[in-house]
Amino acid sequence: EAQVTQNPRYLITVTGKKLTVTCSQNMNHEYMSWYRQDPGLGLRQIYYSMNVEVTDKGDVPEGYKVSRKEKRNFPLILESPSPNQTSLYFCASGRTGQETQYFGPGTRLLVL
Amino acid sequence: GDSVTQMEGPVTLSEEAFLTINCTYTATGYPSLFWYVQYPGEGLQLLLKATKADDKGSNKGFEATYRKETTSFHLEKGSVQVSDSAVYFCALSPNTGFQKLVFGTGTRLLVSP
Repeated sequence: EAQVTQNPRYLITVTGKKLTVTCSQNMNHEYMSWYRQDPGLGLRQIYYSMNVEVTDKGDVPEGYKVSRKEKRNFPLILESPSPNQTSLYFCASGRTGQETQYFGPGTRLLVL
Repeated sequence: GDSVTQMEGPVTLSEEAFLTINCTYTATGYPSLFWYVQYPGEGLQLLLKATKADDKGSNKGFEATYRKETTSFHLEKGSVQVSDSAVYFCALSPNTGFQKLVFGTGTRLLVSP
């Protein structure tokens, strides 16, 4: 089954404790992206990657890091989480040149 | 910059009622337009899209027409079902080649039996 998977689905952590949210897709997509969803703000792009070893900032990259060492994986790293990073995070992927993106199920993060 | 404005929700309807969710956009050039749906506890799924003016996207009884003159892409369905209860997001892709999606804030639809 073609899908985007994220882990964990739910996470409670404390300020300053480094964490990684994994994202994996099995559709051989070149493009991958991370979004955060906050009430009243919709989805905002954090980082995106056009292909392996090619990443770039989205609209709200502060406090986040990403890497793209393999085509299928695009982890989101919070080196020192803060409460304002409490949010619902979505990973998405797509084929280069096609605008449709496929979304993972989301990771709900609470930073205390 | 590019932006999408959606009507605030929640929209509360009875089963079989007519649905309209308004969406307007601001963009330079000729964006592609999308409606995504998010069912409870799930990720977003593409519902329909339109890539040029006057195109009509349709899927699962939902329709939306790309109106360049009014910069709108309103979502409609003639007869909603309880299973349509979800959050609906209007989005645009600026067609800059970077596959960026700009989302509206989402509209929650609640359909009661």
